[in-house]
Amino acid sequence: AQRVTQPEKLLSVFKGAPVELKCNYSYSGSPELFWYVQYSRQRLQLLLRHISRESIKGFTADLNKGETSFHLKKPFAQEEDSAMYYCALQDYNQGGKLIFGQGTELSVKP
Amino acid sequence: KAGVTQTPRYLIKTRGQQVTLSCSPISGHRSVSWYQQTPGQGLQFLFEYFSETQRNKGNFPGRFSGRQFSNSRSEMNVSTLELGDSALYLCASSLGGSPLHFGNGTRLTVT
Repeated sequence: AQRVTQPEKLLSVFKGAPVELKCNYSYSGSPELFWYVQYSRQRLQLLLRHISRESIKGFTADLNKGETSFHLKKPFAQEEDSAMYYCALQDYNQGGKLIFGQGTELSVKP
Repeated sequence: KAGVTQTPRYLIKTRGQQVTLSCSPISGHRSVSWYQQTPGQGLQFLFEYFSETQRNKGNFPGRFSGRQFSNSRSEMNVSTLELGDSALYLCASSLGGSPLHFGNGTRLTVT
């Protein structure tokens, strides 16, 4: 079955430290993967998608098909990065719906 | 451009009642998806509508239904409410599938 796993419910780092939010997936076919972010009191919003291969707010994510992973990384965390992060997979085997991981809460301490 | 608008923001209902949630997508977006968010299950896909037709459906009981109007606005209905239906219901719109633009959600509490 298609699945997205985010093994960490909470990740706490200090400002300026590197951060890596893990995401693993299982999918039959070529996956399309996304990271969504939800800041406090704000709506869920797209952070980045793997096909764009871009860096948003200093975050990058590389799709590793061999390890079936799509980890989100940032070299120097900022306090304003504190939020809930969701990894999502677009399941074209089931009409294109998004399958979300359980989310990781990132807390960046001063 | 105005974002996705969901009304109402909060609802309190009792078991056995029914409820209707509304979603206005971003102008020009023809696809509307609904998700249920709970602490235990996370974000789960309910259904997607495109040009007034249900294009995809998640694994929810028939008590959950929806529809889309010609102006792309969508409604979601839950009948015979159960305590377990308490959740944040999120609507998202897109041009044709991705990426999704989410609304702020409707917080439904069933007592």
